[in-house]
Formats: sequence, C-alpha cells, structure tokens
Amino acid sequence: EDKVVQSPLSLVVHEGDTVTLNCSYEVTNFRSLLWYKQEKKAPTFLFMLTSSGIEKKSGRLSSILDKKELFSILNITATQTGDSAVYLCAVGNAGNMLTFGGGTRLMVKP
Amino acid sequence: KAGVTQTPRYLIKTRGQQVTLSCSPISGHRSVSWYQQTPGQGLQFLFEYFSETQRNKGNFPGRFSGRQFSNSRSEMNVSTLELGDSALYLCASSLDRTGTTDTQYFGPGTRLTVL
Repeated sequence: EDKVVQSPLSLVVHEGDTVTLNCSYEVTNFRSLLWYKQEKKAPTFLFMLTSSGIEKKSGRLSSILDKKELFSILNITATQTGDSAVYLCAVGNAGNMLTFGGGTRLMVKP
Repeated sequence: KAGVTQTPRYLIKTRGQQVTLSCSPISGHRSVSWYQQTPGQGLQFLFEYFSETQRNKGNFPGRFSGRQFSNSRSEMNVSTLELGDSALYLCASSLDRTGTTDTQYFGPGTRLTVL
C-alpha cells in the first residue's frame, strides 16, 4: 500500500525564521511528488517534482526531491504570518492517483 | 482561466439520504479526480474519471459513485448517507496529456454534513 509520511506534524515559528518540512514516501510506480498549501479550503499548488536533485524555487519557497532516499523537503525562508497553513505532500503514481501525507500545520507568529 | 468550480459549497443531509455533488474542471482539462478530506483520515482518493470512464478507484464502498460527462464535468453521488460521510469533498482536474505528468488543481470543495 502506498504511504506518505510528513514531519513534523506541527510547527510554531516567528516571522523571519526559516523552516524545513519533510516528506518521505513508499509508492509503487512513482511519477511525481507535489506540495500543496491549504489554508481554509482548497489545497493550492506549490511545486511538482519529478526528477531527483533539481531544486524548484518560487520566491521564498523551495523544494527538492531525492528519489534514491524517497523523500522531499520544502523550505520556507523569511517566514511571514501569511505562510501559516497546512502544507500537504502528495505522491502521484502512474494511474494519476495522489496519495497524501497527513500534512504539517505551520503557524507563524508576528 | 477560471479554476475548478464545485457546487454546492455546503450541504446538510440526514442519515439515509443521498447526495450529488458537481465539479467543473478547468477548461481543457480532461481528467477529474475526487477526494474526501476528514480530520481523522486526511485526504483520501475516491476515484478518477477520464473521457467519461472511471479510470481509477480508491478504497471506498459502493455507496460512493461518480460519472463524467462529455464536456469533462463530473458528478459524484453518495447513497444511504452515514454520519461518517461528513467531510470536505474535493475535486481536482488535470490536463493528463499522454507521456506528461500534469499537475492536479483543486476546487474549493463541498462541505457535507450528515446529521
């Protein structure tokens, strides 16, 4: 059975801190790893990673995938209160099905 | 481009009733997937439709069903509702081009409460 585990479960930081969120997986027929941010309702797409070792960046957020060790990290630098959310990691298989981790709840205090 | 839309946004039903939820994908997207999100189980895959055919199915009972129309719009139906069906139901669409891994984009969800 496909499995995705995220850590930590929750995190409280202050504005300006840097955080690293972890995602490890065991999935048959791996195709992609995706990060989403969920605030109130719909998860919003952040990154999709398919190749090992290539960092994706968007502003203060970056992510990298290690297909040999089966994990990914999401880094957020200079955190802001608007970064407070649940961050979801999902792994896609050849059947276009996403298996989600339980999420990391990030709270950024002013 | 308009995003994924879902209707209704909120729904209250009683045990034993049935419910139909609707999802309109992003224009041009051909694949529609449905997920159930609960505090205890997180986000779980229900099923995926492509070209009006169910292509993949998660581990949910037969009370959960769906369909896709020729314009890629999709509906999911839950019959004989149980209290445990209370959840946020999310729909996601993707281009699903052959040989390419395409991102799934989520709609705002339908919050179903079963009393």
